[in-house]
Amino acid sequence: DVKVTQSSRYLVKRTGEKVFLECVQDMDHENMFWYRQDPGLGLRLIYFSYDVKMKEKGDIPEGYSVSREKKERFSLILESASTNQTSMYLCASSFLPGTGEETQYFGPGTRLLVL
Amino acid sequence: AQSVAQPEDQVNVAEGNPLTVKCTYSVSGNPYLFWYVQYPNRGLQFLLKYITGDNLVKGSYGFEAEFNKSQTSFHLKKPSALVSDSALYFCAVRDSLRMDSSYKLIFGSGTRLLVRP
Repeated sequence: DVKVTQSSRYLVKRTGEKVFLECVQDMDHENMFWYRQDPGLGLRLIYFSYDVKMKEKGDIPEGYSVSREKKERFSLILESASTNQTSMYLCASSFLPGTGEETQYFGPGTRLLVL
Repeated sequence: AQSVAQPEDQVNVAEGNPLTVKCTYSVSGNPYLFWYVQYPNRGLQFLLKYITGDNLVKGSYGFEAEFNKSQTSFHLKKPSALVSDSALYFCAVRDSLRMDSSYKLIFGSGTRLLVRP
């Protein structure tokens, strides 16, 4: 079974703090993704990575950065947390397109509250 | 541009009745279509996908979906609903023509399914 794990289920941080969200997958997937989920807005892509040290901006990258130093690990960084970054953060991973198996598999999510 | 629409915020159905959760899409090329389910305070679980082949796709937990190219739809169905099917359902699409590095899925806004006993 594919396993995607996220470092925290719940986090409470203060405005201005630097926040690290970690994601690890055990399926040797090339692609990794960070989404945020807000009621009525569905999932919005923040950043994704298709290889180690490679990253691409998604639809809402402002206020976020990412790091992928190892294939299995993808970190999301909030440089200076703000209250409008209170959300559910979901990590996902997949094989590359064209492989016939590009389903994205999701972690359990991190619910972040910024006070 | 790629887009996905889930026209119903919520679907209510009685246990034992058939259920349908609607999804329509817009892409330039051939679509790759996915359904996911999310239980409270959990991540998304993959249910089923259409890449090519048979228009009727069967997935986990007795769910199926029918790809209709002329109507650009991919509705999720189940013949007999269970109370435990109550959850948030997301449809997603990727355009098969997009072979650049933008491998992302476009998600609908989600439909909450409520199955009453």
